[in-house]
Order: sequence, then C-alpha cells, then structure tokens
Amino acid sequence: DIQMTQSPSSLSASVGDRVTITCRASQGISSSLAWFQQKPGKAPKSLIYAASSLQSGVPSKFSGSRSGTDFTLTISSLQPEDFATYYCQQYNSYPLTFGGGTKVEIK
Amino acid sequence: EVQVVESGGGSVQRGGSLRLSCTASGFTFGSYDMNWVRQAPGKGLEWVSSISGSGSSTYYADSVKGRFTISRDNSKNTLYLQMNSLRAEDTAVYYCAKSVTYNSGCLDYWGQGTLVTVSS
Repeated sequence: DIQMTQSPSSLSASVGDRVTITCRASQGISSSLAWFQQKPGKAPKSLIYAASSLQSGVPSKFSGSRSGTDFTLTISSLQPEDFATYYCQQYNSYPLTFGGGTKVEIK
Repeated sequence: EVQVVESGGGSVQRGGSLRLSCTASGFTFGSYDMNWVRQAPGKGLEWVSSISGSGSSTYYADSVKGRFTISRDNSKNTLYLQMNSLRAEDTAVYYCAKSVTYNSGCLDYWGQGTLVTVSS
C-alpha cells in the first residue's frame, strides 16, 4: 500500500499569511494526487487534482505542486473561510490512501 | 447540478448488518466510478470501497474485505454498501463520493455523509 505522510499535522496562521502543506508518498504516484478541504461537520470539498489542477470554482489562491514524490498545497493569502482541515489523497493505485490531515487554525 | 445523497445510517449492535444507499443526480451515473469513504469521530478520512461504472470491478480496504459489499443499480442511479459483521471500529460517518471519470480513484463530488454507530 502507498503511505501518504502529511505535514504538519496542525499549524496556526494569521489572516493574510502564506501557508504551505506538504504530502509525501511512500512510492511514486506520478501526479495522481488530490487535495481536499474539510470544515467541521461538513463533507470534504475537492480543491486540486492531478497535483496542480484547480477544481472548477476553487479560487486561485489555492495552488498545488509536485517534486518527485513530494507534493505541496499552498494558500497564498489565508482568509477566515480557509480555516479548516486539509487532506491529500493518492489515486495512483488501490487501496486509495489519504494523508493524516493538516488542521489550519487561527493564530 | 451534481448531487449525491447518502441514507441508511443508524445505530446497530456489534455483529449486526446495515445497508447504506447513495442516490445520485445531475450526471450520467453509469459512466462514473463511485466510492465510499468513512471518517471515524475526530479522525481522518479512510477509503472503504470503490466500484467501476459498469459494476464489474470492485475494490475494498483490507479492514472491510469479506464483510462489506459494494454494488450499484445504474437503472436507479443508486450506489449501495452492504455492511455485515459490524464492529465498534466501523463507527463513522460514511461518505459517498463520485469519481471524476471511469477507472479513476480521483474523487470530486461528495455527499453530506450518513452516520453509522456500532454499539456493544
């Protein structure tokens, strides 16, 4: 199985900050990586697929990148509505696997 | 508008069974793989099972293999998850999620989830 190691598990940031979350795959997954945002009590929302492609309707302050088996989600200027938990997920092969999540909190 | 709506959750005793349903609308259901993902209280996301658009291919997490069965009725635009021999560790919110295309585990639209509670 492919393990997805996500870091940090939590972070505190201020409105306007640039935030970076990292996910590392235990083996090569090409660009088969998605990012999701989840707010308390709500379903996950797709932000990015294929490592760097923005889902329709998602603001451009979100961006994704890949370097080998390392993947990054960046929020360019954190806004109040962005405080949530973020998950990465690989879909290169079954079983599909998620990272452990990163909770973004208000500083 | 794409929508997926889960139902069938509830409380069940350990060892019992439950069948979840997911009704889809707004897209050609049979053309897309479908998935179940769960989230235990206060925990992260865990993939459970996937099924191809035709229903001919199914995939399961080791934690549910042999106990859960995924199926679909394309004439009713409905996805199912039959859960047998339920354990306390199966307690979670179960989400139905649509894949972006056939033969893909890339998920786009998710339902609001249905809570399954397994008590001893």
